[in-house]
Amino acid sequence: EADIYQTPRYLVIGTGKKITLECSQTMGHDKMYWYQQDPGMELHLIHYSYGVNSTEKGDLSSESTVSRIRTEHFPLTLESARPSHTSQYLCASATSGTYNEQFFGPGTRLTVL
Amino acid sequence: AQTVTQSQPEMSVQEAETVTLSCTYDTSESDYYLFWYKQPPSRQMILVIRQEAYKQQNATENRFSVNFQKAAKSFSLKISDSQLGDAAMYFCALWGGSEKLVFGKGTKLTVNP
Repeated sequence: EADIYQTPRYLVIGTGKKITLECSQTMGHDKMYWYQQDPGMELHLIHYSYGVNSTEKGDLSSESTVSRIRTEHFPLTLESARPSHTSQYLCASATSGTYNEQFFGPGTRLTVL
Repeated sequence: AQTVTQSQPEMSVQEAETVTLSCTYDTSESDYYLFWYKQPPSRQMILVIRQEAYKQQNATENRFSVNFQKAAKSFSLKISDSQLGDAAMYFCALWGGSEKLVFGKGTKLTVNP
């Protein structure tokens, strides 16, 4: 059973709205990640965090922002959504162990009209 | 830079048959890990199998096994006795000492009854 949760699972909103995608994990993992993935396509890393108060931009430029105030929580915010933001957003977490095995949430499918 | 290449965008297999998915990678690290992840349609991404580079023995998990050729930088996934539930996108991933996993573009596997 997955210990990493994302809400909402599906979201349809209008252009210009501010949205926050929630991600929480109960595994005590220090590292957390946000990926953007179009259906059936590759994953693009957009943000990651080493731990509390740590956030880094990923390989794909994104207009979103993230915060990490608590270990278990890593929300992603879009200040003004646009149709180009329509995609699936996957959250993942990993331990700070020897290797970076990541555990994924179920994803949020975002549609901006 | 670390790269992962999956040269087969799509593969198909008959139920109960065996299929092999290809993956090649490049890294300058001597200590690294390789992963195969499975992403079923509209479902959560899960880890299928993991291989530590320093281990010569190929990893096996039930019907899933890998052929790890370190010198050739090849890491293929073999699925034996394919089942309908194996239909999914499969992603090869590399961890080479950074805080990030590097993913391939994925292979879509179809299982025909």
